[in-house]
Amino acid sequence: AQKITQTQPGMFVQEKEAVTLDCTYDTSDPSYGLFWYKQPSSGEMIFLIYQGSYDQQNATEGRYSLNFQKARKSANLVISASQLGDSAMYFCAMRTNTGNQFYFGTGTSLTVIP
Amino acid sequence: DSGVTQTPKHLITATGQRVTLRCSPRSGDLSVYWYQQSLDQGLQFLIQYYNGEERAKGNILERFSAQQFPDLHSELNLSSLELGDSALYFCASSVDAGTEAFFGQGTRLTVV
Repeated sequence: AQKITQTQPGMFVQEKEAVTLDCTYDTSDPSYGLFWYKQPSSGEMIFLIYQGSYDQQNATEGRYSLNFQKARKSANLVISASQLGDSAMYFCAMRTNTGNQFYFGTGTSLTVIP
Repeated sequence: DSGVTQTPKHLITATGQRVTLRCSPRSGDLSVYWYQQSLDQGLQFLIQYYNGEERAKGNILERFSAQQFPDLHSELNLSSLELGDSALYFCASSVDAGTEAFFGQGTRLTVV
């Protein structure tokens, strides 16, 4: 069975600091993708970053990077230089290449403090 | 803008009624997914279509049904609505398996 675990219900970070949001996953499928989405208070789900299970390098997209540790089955999101607009819910998700659905974690609420 | 369009954005209806939620995927995306997000259940996968055919089914109630049309837009039909069906319903689309999915802005359904 596939499972995504986010153990931090809420996080606070000072503006301009970096923050790491944790995500661990479980799957027996050797081929899978890991995703992070941002959900601001307005409700939309915004795709942030993707990491493939066979990718050798950690994914980066602007201020977002994914710290992928395959042996530990973790895919933590690192946000550098936090901004007030980063305050939102963040969801980690996984999809195996043999499956069809995205499995989501329960989310982490991030608050950026001025 | 993700390129995925969902209508309507908000919907208020009474118990026992039936509603239809519509989704237009991004241009070129063949897969459409429907998710329900409620406060107590988180993001629940309902159903996936690929190029007009049902590919995967999740925790979708029998009162709910969906389809994907030849032009690739999809509709989610919710009938005999109950108060507990109040939630944010998302549609997402992707090119195919293994790629990221882009979400629409969601339809917020309130059943009163």
